[in-house]
Amino acid sequence: DAGVIQSPRHEVTEMGQEVTLRCKPISGHNSLFWYRQTMMRGLELLIYFNNNVPIDDSGMPEDRFSAKMPNASFSTLKIQPSEPRDSAVYFCASILGTGGYNEQFFGPGTRLTVL
Amino acid sequence: GDSVTQMEGPVTLSEEAFLTINCTYTATGYPSLFWYVQYPGEGLQLLLKATKADDKGSNKGFEATYRKETTSFHLEKGSVQVSDSAVYFCALIGMDSSYKLIFGSGTRLLVRP
Repeated sequence: DAGVIQSPRHEVTEMGQEVTLRCKPISGHNSLFWYRQTMMRGLELLIYFNNNVPIDDSGMPEDRFSAKMPNASFSTLKIQPSEPRDSAVYFCASILGTGGYNEQFFGPGTRLTVL
Repeated sequence: GDSVTQMEGPVTLSEEAFLTINCTYTATGYPSLFWYVQYPGEGLQLLLKATKADDKGSNKGFEATYRKETTSFHLEKGSVQVSDSAVYFCALIGMDSSYKLIFGSGTRLLVRP
């Protein structure tokens, strides 16, 4: 199994540009999470999908952030326009089922730098 | 709201030393508790978990016991190896959510040969 796949692994962009992060969950998993990791705030849940439907987006910081899951094998997190304070590592994770009691399988992350 | 507090790092140990990383939590009722580990350049991996009081989670020589009376879930290992160098995160899922992991700030462990 390839595990959770994220792309790109590193992204450097300038303030004001649109950024799109991509995630392919483990095949058969039906729940997907997007997290952000920063030194100041640690690991934060941004949004949770179950069966491709957004269930909890209360962690999305503001309207500049949006996430989609058009099918069971693909999700995107978009930031438009990007700002320097968005610089962080963004992780995608997936599980089989709905409960977090099962192991969440994390991707390797995308390190975003906004200049 | 629910929260997790971990000891500040980095923790630096020599190989074969005993490890303890402290973790305490604040939550109503009986949350489920987890330890995740992050190796350099990788995503987090579940290390162990415990879902009710007095349960002991264990994996790869690591152990943690769910202590309701002290609201703690300290991580221990009897003899660390260089390959254990990583960042360790304590986390919980509260009773009001079936999926939302609340993470501590993480503790970096460095094991020297």
